[in-house]
Amino acid sequence: GAGVSQTPSNKVTEKGKYVELRCDPISGHTALYWYRQSLGQGPEFLIYFQGTGAADDSGLPNDRFFAVRPEGSVSTLKIQRTERGDSAVYLCASSLGEGQPQHFGDGTRLSIL
Amino acid sequence: EDQVTQSPEALRLQEGESSSLNCSYTVSGLRGLFWYRQDPGKGPEFLFTLYSAGEEKEKERLKATLTKKESFLHITAPKPEDSATYLCAVPPGGTSYGKLTFGQGTILTVHP
Repeated sequence: GAGVSQTPSNKVTEKGKYVELRCDPISGHTALYWYRQSLGQGPEFLIYFQGTGAADDSGLPNDRFFAVRPEGSVSTLKIQRTERGDSAVYLCASSLGEGQPQHFGDGTRLSIL
Repeated sequence: EDQVTQSPEALRLQEGESSSLNCSYTVSGLRGLFWYRQDPGKGPEFLFTLYSAGEEKEKERLKATLTKKESFLHITAPKPEDSATYLCAVPPGGTSYGKLTFGQGTILTVHP
C-alpha cells in the first residue's frame, strides 16, 4: 500500500488485558513514530525508532508500554495490564528520515472497558 | 519545555469568508514547523513545512506563513470541504529531531 497501515482499526478489551497494536510504515521510510491522541487534543508523542532501535522513548507513560521494530520495518506497540485511562487513538507515523515530514496512519482506536 | 498553542479552538466560517488560524510556539532554536489537516476518524495529513521566519508555502486555498514566534494558516475563500481540524507541530530544540510537539488544533467548520 502507499500509506502507513495500522491494524486493528478498532480494539475493545477489558481492563487488565494485554494488547498489541501493529504499524506497517511507508516502504523505504527509516523513521517510525508512535503517538497517542485523546479526544479534542493533538497527538502526544510516545516513542520514535530510527531503523531497529528506539532513538527516543521519553513519551512512554510507564513500564506497561513497550514497542519493538525488530527488522526496521513493521513495529508493534505493546500494552500490558491495560487500564481505562489507556483508552485513546494510537497513531503511527513514518518519515524518510529525521526532520522529514511525518506521514500518519489512520490509527487504532483502543477502548478499555 | 516546548509548547505549542493554537487559536482559536474553533472557527465557523461561511463559504467564501477568508480567515486565519494562529499557531504560537516556544522552542529554543526552531528547526521547522509543520501544519497538518485531520478529518474525523482519520490520521493527520501533512500540509506544509516551514523552516525559517519569512517563509511562505501555498496549496490551493491555504497559505502558511512563519515568524519568529508564530505561524499563520490563511484560508482564502474557503469551501465546505476545507472543514477539518488543523494542527501545527514543532520538533524539539537541540540535536534530536524525532518527536513532534503538537498544538491542540483548531476545528474549522465552513458552512455553504
